[in-house]
Amino acid sequence: QVQLVQSGAEVKKPGSSVKVSCKASGGTFRRNIFYWVRQAPGQGLEWMGGSSPLFGTVNYAQKFQGRLTITADTSTSTTYMELSSLRSEDTAVYFCARVDSSAWDYYMDVWGKGTTVTVSS
Amino acid sequence: DIVMIQSPDSLAVSLGERATIDCKSSQSVLYSSNNKNYLAWYQQKPGQPPQLLIYWASTRESGVPDRFSGSGSGTDFTLTISSLQAEDVAVYYCHQYYSSPQTFGQGTRVEIK
Repeated sequence: QVQLVQSGAEVKKPGSSVKVSCKASGGTFRRNIFYWVRQAPGQGLEWMGGSSPLFGTVNYAQKFQGRLTITADTSTSTTYMELSSLRSEDTAVYFCARVDSSAWDYYMDVWGKGTTVTVSS
Repeated sequence: DIVMIQSPDSLAVSLGERATIDCKSSQSVLYSSNNKNYLAWYQQKPGQPPQLLIYWASTRESGVPDRFSGSGSGTDFTLTISSLQAEDVAVYYCHQYYSSPQTFGQGTRVEIK
């Protein structure tokens, strides 16, 4: 049974950066893809991008290009999402999610519980 | 970007009755080479992450009750709950994974009438 355990809640100042971790257990980390999806308070789901540990590649939504960095550490089966130049609109719950494939165009079958990031001065 | 539009935004259904949610994509998510629709449905309850219900438009995820079914092809899709149970109260999202950026519908809230 694959589980994704995310790091704890963060409170950040506008203009700063946040780095959220997501540790996978019970699966084959290298052969999966890990996406990040966020959800602003009371809003829907927004796909941000992801990483392929197998190929060492990333795929970002254009909206976040230049601000988003997703990395994967195969030695610890952990993926990281770092968002910089934070603004109040980045206040959201950030989810990591697994794709049980090395293909980008695949559905997300296991999700972490989410990490709340609050951006406030 | 592929825009996903769900209808309705919310619906109230009596226990045991059928609930139907539609999802329309701005372009086809059917990949002709393998004849698969790159469309999934998720259920999200308050304070929880989304849970996968359906993938490839009509394949039920393991462990999902068979009252949940998905149908459709190309640009028009439907999630049906054949007999609504109390535990089905949630927000439901369609999701296309045909192309980047992957996108979701705005969500449909299902309540008990």
